[in-house]
Amino acid sequence: AQKITQTQPGMFVQEKEAVTLDCTYDTSDPSYGLFWYKQPSSGEMIFLIYQGSYDQQNATEGRYSLNFQKARKSANLVISASQLGDSAMYFCAMTASGTYKYIFGTGTRLKVLA
Amino acid sequence: ETGVTQTPRHLVMGMTNKKSLKCEQHLGHNAMYWYKQSAKKPLELMFVYNFKEQTENNSVPSRFSPECPNSSHLFLHLHTLQPEDSALYLCASSQDFGTTGNIQYFGAGTRLSVL
Repeated sequence: AQKITQTQPGMFVQEKEAVTLDCTYDTSDPSYGLFWYKQPSSGEMIFLIYQGSYDQQNATEGRYSLNFQKARKSANLVISASQLGDSAMYFCAMTASGTYKYIFGTGTRLKVLA
Repeated sequence: ETGVTQTPRHLVMGMTNKKSLKCEQHLGHNAMYWYKQSAKKPLELMFVYNFKEQTENNSVPSRFSPECPNSSHLFLHLHTLQPEDSALYLCASSQDFGTTGNIQYFGAGTRLSVL
């Protein structure tokens, strides 16, 4: 069975600094996908970034990058140059070829300080 | 217009009421999903529709009844709910279902309170 673990319930970061949000996963399937979503207080889940298990390079999307360490089964999200608007809940999720359903972690609440 | 629209945004209902949640996607996707998000719990997948056919029902109680008349619209009919059903209900869509790289796009959710 697949599992996603986010061990940081809350994080603080100073504006303009970089922050890393941790995510570890567990699956025995060789083919899987890893995703990060942002959920502001408004409720909408906003897709940020995707990494496939066979991708050789770490995914990047603007200020977001995914630090993919396959041997450690970790998929940490790095946000560079934090902005006040980055304050939100962040969820890590995965799919695997066995089920294709998303499995979500419990989330990390990020607060960016001015 | 946003890609996935959910109405209403907020709903308060009694345990004997019948109500429906609506989801509409404007992305041309073929798969649609209902999720339940309760406080301090991971998102729970409730239902999956792929090309209007239900492909997943994650042991959801029968008081929740989904309907997918076409690939762009998804409903969740509610009746005789319990207070523990109070939660944020999120709708999502993706191009298809059945690949590890399928990206789901979510609506803003309906915040439901059952009294």
